Amino acid sequence: ILNVEQSPQSLHVQEGDSTNFTCSFPSSNFYALHWYRWETAKSPEALFVMTLNGDEKKKGRISATLNTKEGYSYLYIKGSQPEDSATYLCAFFSGGYNKLIFGAGTRLAVHP
Amino acid sequence: GAVVSQHPSWVICKSGTSVKIECRSLDFQATTMFWYRQFPKQSLMLMATSNEGSKATYEQGVEKDKFLINHASLTLSTLTVTSAHPEDSSFYICSARDWQGANTGELFFGEGSRLTVL
Repeated sequence: ILNVEQSPQSLHVQEGDSTNFTCSFPSSNFYALHWYRWETAKSPEALFVMTLNGDEKKKGRISATLNTKEGYSYLYIKGSQPEDSATYLCAFFSGGYNKLIFGAGTRLAVHP
Repeated sequence: GAVVSQHPSWVICKSGTSVKIECRSLDFQATTMFWYRQFPKQSLMLMATSNEGSKATYEQGVEKDKFLINHASLTLSTLTVTSAHPEDSSFYICSARDWQGANTGELFFGEGSRLTVL
């Protein structure tokens, strides 16, 4: 059974704080690791698709790293803003299963 | 990015009735569509995978006669919850990928549908 774990489950930070979340996934049969941002009443939006060990991706104040050998990815948000408040999902894609396996998400609340 | 539209967003129905949820890819051809269900504070749980023109592949534990999935065209998939009961109340969300997404699994999501069965 493939299991994707995310921590923490929820996080409250003040505007301007930097924060990071963790995603743990199986290290075998790896194809890709996805990060999505899911704002309330909207569709989940893809942030990053990472495929190579050691990958680092960045979009504005948000960045992510990937370690496929040990099975973890970190998502970083620098200088959090209230508009960053959302649930951040990671998902593991294994070619053998041809489907995304999602973690339960980290719910981030950024307070002004 | 690619757009997927799902409706209705909210539906309330009586126990024993059937409910249909539609999922449309608006600006790309969705060769594969996925239907997920989410229970409170839990992960998105894959219910079934459908390829255009083929029968859906259901995940273990998902009743195919209860959750009917049709993917008759490259832009439309439907999920019908038949003879709905209160335990079917949940959040259902569809996603789609095109042929390029087959290698990395990249998905585009609809907005989701909240089903409440009275």
